Amino acid sequence: IQMTQSPSSLSASVGDRVTITCRASQTINNYLNWYQQKPGEAPKLLIYAASSLQSGVPSRFSGSGSGTDFTLTITTLQPEDFATYYCQQSYDIPPIHTFGQGTKLEIK
Amino acid sequence: QVTLRESGPALVKPTQTLTLTCTVSGFSLTTKGMCMNWIRQPPGKALEWLARIDWDDDKYYNTSLQTRLTISRDTSKNQVVLTMTDMDPVDTATYFCARCASVPGRYYYYYYMDVWGKGTTVTVSS
Repeated sequence: IQMTQSPSSLSASVGDRVTITCRASQTINNYLNWYQQKPGEAPKLLIYAASSLQSGVPSRFSGSGSGTDFTLTITTLQPEDFATYYCQQSYDIPPIHTFGQGTKLEIK
Repeated sequence: QVTLRESGPALVKPTQTLTLTCTVSGFSLTTKGMCMNWIRQPPGKALEWLARIDWDDDKYYNTSLQTRLTISRDTSKNQVVLTMTDMDPVDTATYFCARCASVPGRYYYYYYMDVWGKGTTVTVSS
């Protein structure tokens, strides 16, 4: 299963609402996770099972979708949200946890 | 407190075998439903999942790399080990270990990587 994110990069301002898309090459139901990675740091889990918010993650992050098309939405961008975001599927049996190529969110 | 710490050589030569260790604390490698992963990230590039070992010792590999990879664990030392043979400069990357947790899903369990180590950088060069 291939995971394709769009856009590859995105410029936005503090306070904006942004949406990042992830598309699977075949249906993965809702077996889709989202991670945030800042430079020099390990990724951090944001969303699992397409729409479940990981404990401790701010509510301005939300995920939606099912089948092949998924979105990560960040409402009211904060300075600390500028990072690279990855989607990852966990549908394959046997497990092959493919990541998308990433979306870099930059300050406009 | 759950922590993961990767360790291993910073520099390996082409054709050598890389051995990386992930030492965990704050949880058991044999807790039902838990698993451990290795993921790598070449400089400036995307994350690439490499391998996974489950609580019951089941093992899974990236199909593109499976002939070169072996994942194992030592539960007495709370360690997960990844070996990668025949290293090449394209294998230069930061290597992360990550715990995966699971919750029941509609068809089968949802797995997600909820805790990550800081990563260890490996350079392959002669």
